[in-house]
This record gives sequence, structure tokens and C-alpha cells, in this order.
Amino acid sequence: NAGVTQTPKFRVLKTGQSMTLLCAQDMNHEYMYWYRQDPGMGLRLIHYSVGEGTTAKGEVPDGYNVSRLKKQNFLLGLESAAPSQTSVYFCASGTTSGGWDTQYFGPGTRLTVL
Amino acid sequence: RKEVEQDPGPFNVPEGATVAFNCTYSNSASQSFFWYRQDCRKEPKLLMSVYSSGNEDGRFTAQLNRASQYISLLIRDSKLSDSATYLCVVIISGGYNKLIFGAGTRLAVHP
Repeated sequence: NAGVTQTPKFRVLKTGQSMTLLCAQDMNHEYMYWYRQDPGMGLRLIHYSVGEGTTAKGEVPDGYNVSRLKKQNFLLGLESAAPSQTSVYFCASGTTSGGWDTQYFGPGTRLTVL
Repeated sequence: RKEVEQDPGPFNVPEGATVAFNCTYSNSASQSFFWYRQDCRKEPKLLMSVYSSGNEDGRFTAQLNRASQYISLLIRDSKLSDSATYLCVVIISGGYNKLIFGAGTRLAVHP
């Protein structure tokens, strides 16, 4: 049981390049999330999904796209990277048993955009 | 104003000390409350939930004051291994349960 995994762990991009971050979970969770974490700020939600085939915008969605073609995978895409997207990206999956949300996080992807 | 505010610290304490962190939240519709722990360059992990009646897990005690909209975490008998950043998290119920994270309070326990 690997929990939540993310690939890659590190990446350096040039401005304007594109890339896709992959998140996978093996806990059969319905909900999946992409966050970014910047110094001095709390984690901010980029996009989320409440089930296979569904996606929705979070707090800071601009410049990102997502897809959830399979229940266990949630992809985050950057079509044209900008230096402002330099951050640590965390994926999480969760369940809302008990009426609230328990989230399990992946190890993170450190992205630098030059 | 941030929705969830925490003192960033760092709190530098010796082993064995008792340390308390506070967190305030602004949205009165907040339903559930948690403390997460995040080690340096690692992912956040759930430490404990926070209930109105207060709850304790070993050396850790969490309290919620809904009237004043603040949450606290008390760590007794600090260990070196407690050194980490502690994130206050608030859930606002809605179409999906929205987690709002504080920026975290850094704790450094020294020998």
C-alpha cells in the first residue's frame, strides 16, 4: 500500500515550457486535490476532483489544468510555465467519512521555473 | 485578513518544555478543525482533530474555542523529534469540504 505518490519529485523548467505532474493513490479515495505551497503561506488549493471524470477549480486555478480519467490518478498540467509557478506542489486524496474530510498527502514535487 | 492565522515562530524550546500554539480563524461557518504536522521538505500529516470538548493524545492536547474562533495545541515534555512546522487547518463545509490551511508555526526543540 503506497498511499499517495507523485512524479516527478523535482523539475526545472524554462518559462513557456509545459509539463504534467502525476498523482496516484491506491486507497480507492473518491476525492483528490492539488495544492501549492509557497513560503509564508498556507497550502492553497489549485484544483480538485470529487470522482472519476470530474474536476473543479480551487482557490488558485489560473495557469493550470487537470484531468481525472481514472479514479486512482489525478494529473496537473502547466501549459506555459511562468516563474510565479515556482512552488512545491502537493497532491492529496481523501474521503469524507464522518462528515468531514481526511486528506492524505503525497511527498510533493518541487518545481522551479526559470 | 487571512482566513486562518498562526504565529509563524520559530518557537525555540529546550527538551522537556511545554509549548503552546494558537491559531485564529475568521469564518464562523467553519465546521471542523485539525492540526497537521509538516517536517522540513516533507508532506503534511494529520496530527489530531480538534473538538469543542478538547482532546488529548499522549503529550498533545488540542482545544477549540468557537466563541473566540481560536484553536490551540499544547505539547508537553517536548522531544527533539517534535521539531517541525505545525499547521492549523479549518474545514468549511459546502459543496465539498474546503480545507483552509494556516501558514504554520515552526517549532525547534533543542537539547
